[in-house]
Amino acid sequence: AQSVAQPEDQVNVAEGNPLTVKCTYSVSGNPYLFWYVQYPNRGLQFLLKYITGDNLVKGSYGFEAEFNKSQTSFHLKKPSALVSDSALYFCAVRELNTGGFKTIFGAGTRLFVKA
Amino acid sequence: SQTIHQWPATLVQPVGSPLSLECTVEGTSNPNLYWYRQAAGRGLQLLFYSVGIGQISSEVPQNLSASRPQDRQFILSSKKLLLSDSGFYLCAWSVKGPTNTEAFFGQGTRLTVV
Repeated sequence: AQSVAQPEDQVNVAEGNPLTVKCTYSVSGNPYLFWYVQYPNRGLQFLLKYITGDNLVKGSYGFEAEFNKSQTSFHLKKPSALVSDSALYFCAVRELNTGGFKTIFGAGTRLFVKA
Repeated sequence: SQTIHQWPATLVQPVGSPLSLECTVEGTSNPNLYWYRQAAGRGLQLLFYSVGIGQISSEVPQNLSASRPQDRQFILSSKKLLLSDSGFYLCAWSVKGPTNTEAFFGQGTRLTVV
């Protein structure tokens, strides 16, 4: 079965510094990977996805993610963090062995950006 | 464009009372629909998913049930709520067909069982 792991419960970064939120995955076959963001008491918002092609995927709000097949990682990055980026971030993988319609989420990483 | 509506936003219910949360999607046809529960602001647990009217798959045994009476309507129910049913419930939809499509979420319902 597919799974994702987010090894950090929390990431702290100063505004203007680069940020990285880590994600590793375990899949059989080609992975379909996603990042979502959640603000307090709100639903999740889609940020970006990796399906195939370039290993560096660009998404919303200046975020990007790097797919690394050898390390089975899909880390979320942003060159310069903003205070408004503070939120809960989820990595997710699409489970293919049941028709592709189940998305498995990681436990989430809380990002704090300090001014 | 597509939108998803989920209501109510917050709900406080006594133990043993019934529950009905509703979710509707606009601007698309024949979507896959999902109910997730999020505990303590962390990871999401998939409760139910549906690929069509009347077709419901349950992921975990629990005190809840789901129904899809219309193509774009998904309802989460309980006959008698337990304290452990408290949490943040999220409805989501995705396009059928390609397996690489992202899910789109409603704004969630915070349920507190007292």
